Order: sequence, then structure tokens, then C-alpha cells
Amino acid sequence: DGGITQSPKYLFRKEGQNVTLSCEQNLNHDAMYWYRQDPGQGLRLIYYSQIVNDFQKGDIAEGYSVSREKKESFPLTVTSAQKNPTAFYLCASSISGGNEAFFGQGTRLTVV
Amino acid sequence: AQSVAQPEDQVNVAEGNPLTVKCTYSVSGNPYLFWYVQYPNRGLQFLLKYITGDNLVKGSYGFEAEFNKSQTSFHLKKPSALVSDSALYFCAVRALNRDDKIIFGKGTRLHILP
Repeated sequence: DGGITQSPKYLFRKEGQNVTLSCEQNLNHDAMYWYRQDPGQGLRLIYYSQIVNDFQKGDIAEGYSVSREKKESFPLTVTSAQKNPTAFYLCASSISGGNEAFFGQGTRLTVV
Repeated sequence: AQSVAQPEDQVNVAEGNPLTVKCTYSVSGNPYLFWYVQYPNRGLQFLLKYITGDNLVKGSYGFEAEFNKSQTSFHLKKPSALVSDSALYFCAVRALNRDDKIIFGKGTRLHILP
């Protein structure tokens, strides 16, 4: 099966702990993206990467970090510096240049 | 900077009636425009896109969208709504510049009333 896999689907963490969300794709896409979804605020871009070993901050990068060591993987770490980390996180990938993005099923992170 | 506006948080339509979900955009250069649908606790599913060519784009599940360059709009339409069309709809824009970001609107919740 080709596609984007996010794991886990649900994640619970205590306040002050770092947590890493996994995103893997086997579509051979160059570009990958992380979005955060909150009710009434739509999708906000956290980080994106157009190529291996390179990534750029999106609109709400503070308190998050990423790496892109392999083409198929783009993990997102939610650090303790993120003030309000509870949200639905979506990973996407696409071919570069004007094409649509394909999305994973999302990870719902709850920090207690 | 790229931006997308979806002016309606919610749209209610009776089953069988035509529906329109509005989207306007701002981008430097030629826009690449997309519509996605999201069902509860799921990722986004691609519906259709405009890259170039005919201003009326047809997509999945009977949806279509009309690109209007002078009004910088890309409204989603369907001639006859189904109850199963009830979902959250997102408009997105991508510009082929150095950044190559994909920016989404806030979403419009579509309720189809039986």
C-alpha cells in the first residue's frame, strides 16, 4: 500500500515532556509538511521540507522541531517550550511544483 | 505572503439543492488552488485542483470549482447536494516560488439538511 503513515493515532503526555510524532511516506515525494489543526483555526503550517536535509519554518514553528534525514521520514518533536500542545497534527507530502498534497490520518496529541 | 480566506464558518443547504462554498486567495505569481474535504478525526482528502487552463475544474464526488482570476476566487460548487456531503471543506493555495508552501484556509463546515 502506498501512502502516508502517521503514528500513533492517539498520544497522551504529561506537561513538560517532549514527544515525537512519526510520519513516513512511501510515495517517493520530495516535499513533506506538518500542520496543526485546532477547532475554528483551520490548518496552520508548522514546518515543511522540500528536500532531504533541508527544512523551513512555517507560521507557528515556535516550540516544535523537525528533522529530514531520509526522504521518506519527517518526524515532528513537540517540545516543552510549546505553550499549548494539545491539538490534532497532520502530516502531508507532495511532488514538488504545483501538485496536491496527500495527507496522513493524523495524530491527536493530548497533554495533561 | 500567501493567504486563503473562507468567509463562511458554516453553510447549510437542503438536500438536492445546489451548494457553493466560497474561497478567495492572495498569492504572488500564478496560483495553484486546491479543495480538500475532511471527515471527523481523519486526514484531508483531495477533491480537485486548478493549475492552468479551463476556469471550471471538475473533481471527485460530483464537485467542481470555478477559478476567477479578477476576483481572486476559487469557489467550490455542486449542482445537487447529498446528505453525505456534510463535512469540513478546506481551500488551499500553493505558489511556485522559492518557499513552495501550501497554505490552507480556516475551513467551512457544510451541513446538508435532509
